[in-house]
Amino acid sequence: GENVEQHPSTLSVQEGDSAVIKCTYSDSASNYFPWYKQELGKRPQLIIDIRSNVGEKKDQRIAVTLNKTAKHFSLHITETQPEDSAVYFCAATSYGQNFVFGPGTRLSVLP
Amino acid sequence: EPEVTQTPSHQVTQMGQEVILRCVPISNHLYFYWYRQILGQKVEFLVSFYNNEISEKSEIFDDQFSVERPDGSNFTLKIRSTKLEDSAMYFCASSDLMQAAKNIQYFGAGTRLSVL
Repeated sequence: GENVEQHPSTLSVQEGDSAVIKCTYSDSASNYFPWYKQELGKRPQLIIDIRSNVGEKKDQRIAVTLNKTAKHFSLHITETQPEDSAVYFCAATSYGQNFVFGPGTRLSVLP
Repeated sequence: EPEVTQTPSHQVTQMGQEVILRCVPISNHLYFYWYRQILGQKVEFLVSFYNNEISEKSEIFDDQFSVERPDGSNFTLKIRSTKLEDSAMYFCASSDLMQAAKNIQYFGAGTRLSVL
């Protein structure tokens, strides 16, 4: 089955700096890679996703890149703000399969 | 914007007791899911449900767990005899047909289950 690893487990950045979180997956059949943001005690919220037919996707300060050959994908947050502080989960799945989540990255944006 | 709602937000129970966690998916959604998240750990898939039957379940979803759609709006997760290790946040999620085909799921706010 699919296995998703995520690094780093914790990340601290200064406000305004960029943050990068990386995930690797094992199943080459996986073709959908969402990223979820989870603030303390709240539900995971989908913030961006990418499909295997695309190498990069951007939405304002957030971007995701995918390298299918290497089986890894990354979340990039630019111009970080204190409200970006949260736990970020990557996931991998393919059609008809259910999400396999990474272990999460706790991002702290320091003022 | 429609949301998946879950009740209660926090459930405290004694070990060995049965609990029922309730979810109201978004109204036109047909695919339903339960996940759990042990404190400080990743979100883990439990079960998916479509057309009044389980589509897929993980190894976590053993005989102590069951799901039901008792009426047109609710989707429940029952744990028959709770164990200490069942303490976790339980998330319900739902999708409509197109979203399910795109693997898009909308999560509820979760129910925190504390087993004492």
